[in-house]
This record gives sequence, structure tokens and C-alpha cells, in this order.
Amino acid sequence: NAGVTQTPKFQVLKTGQSMTLQCAQDMNHEYMSWYRQDPGMGLRLIHYSVGAGITDQGEVPNGYNVSRSTTEDFPLRLLSAAPSQTSVYFCASRTDAREGSPLHFGNGTRLTVT
Amino acid sequence: GQSLEQPSEVTAVEGAIVQINCTYQTSGFYGLSWYQQHDGGAPTFLSYNALDGLEETGRFSSFLSRSDSYGYLLLQELQMKDSASYFCAFGSSNTGKLIFGQGTTLQVKP
Repeated sequence: NAGVTQTPKFQVLKTGQSMTLQCAQDMNHEYMSWYRQDPGMGLRLIHYSVGAGITDQGEVPNGYNVSRSTTEDFPLRLLSAAPSQTSVYFCASRTDAREGSPLHFGNGTRLTVT
Repeated sequence: GQSLEQPSEVTAVEGAIVQINCTYQTSGFYGLSWYQQHDGGAPTFLSYNALDGLEETGRFSSFLSRSDSYGYLLLQELQMKDSASYFCAFGSSNTGKLIFGQGTTLQVKP
């Protein structure tokens, strides 16, 4: 019963470094998404995917790339980290894009950029 | 544009009833969801309303009025473990994209 697994749990980067946040789900969900959560800002959608090979931008996509080569995996790439990207990142999946199906969240990756 | 508004904080006592309101603005609307998040944890799904009216799940109920662009989450018989942040969210397109409000922090006092 793994659900949505995110790695790493914590990460510290220096400005300008790149890295990939990993997300994997074992529920055969078609829809996957990435959110960032900052104090007082709620959850903001970065990118999402409605199926393998299909990705689209959310509310705050700048500075991030995604790809969806398999149903299970949806990595988030930070191209050149900036202090403004210090945040908690959540990956979430749902059965499909139909309304009403609940999002299942991973436990988050806490990223600090210095 | 698209937006949701919720109160930032609500305080209530154990055993009481509390209502968390959510108003939204969007050009397309597919339904209103509610999520709970305990401090340091992941959000978890509570409820979903596609149609006007009240949906009840145990101690929690959620209401939607599409004509008023308004919904609320009602928590009854409050327990200390209900202290958490509560988020409303809507789907604004047929792509499944879910947009969240800024969240309401509920503090339950003894």
C-alpha cells in the first residue's frame, strides 16, 4: 500500500543548482500533478499530466519542467534553483481527470534553496 | 481570473459546531472539493460537491450553492484531532486541474 511516494523528503540546494524531485504512484492513476505549498499561499499547481506522454502547465510553472514517460512516474525538474523556490512540494495523483475523484498526496519534499 | 476565498483562521471549542466558508470565482466550474491537512502532513480528501445542496459524511458535511458561487464545510461535535488546515478547491476545466484556496486553520480548544 505505498500510494504516492516522493523522494527525497528533504533537500538543500545552492542557488543555480539543478535537481529532480521524484514522484511515483502504484495505483495505476492516469492523472498526476505537482503542487508547491508556501505559508499563507495554500497549494499552488505547478504542472499536471492526464496520462503518459501528456503534460500541461498549472498556475506557477516557471522554473520547473516535467515529463511523463510512464503511468507510474512524474518527476519534477528544477532547472536552476532560486531562493524563491524554497517550499514544500507535493505530488498528487487521482484515478483520472473526471471531477470528484479524490487526489491522493505524497508526504512532500521540503526544499531549501540558499 | 480564478480565485477562492476562505477565512485564514477559525477557533472553536471541543464539542461545538464550526462552519468554514469558501467563495469562488471562475469562468468554468465543475465542483467543489474539501481537503484536510494536519501540521506537517499531506492533504487528505474530505468531500466533493458537484450539485447544489448538502453532502454528509459522518461528522463532516459540505454544502454548495452554484448560483452564489459559495460553499462551506460544516464540522460537528468537534474533537481536538480536528485541529488542522482545511482547503476548498475547484475544478475549472475538463482537464482535471484542481485549484486550491489558501486554507483555513482551525484551532479546537478544550
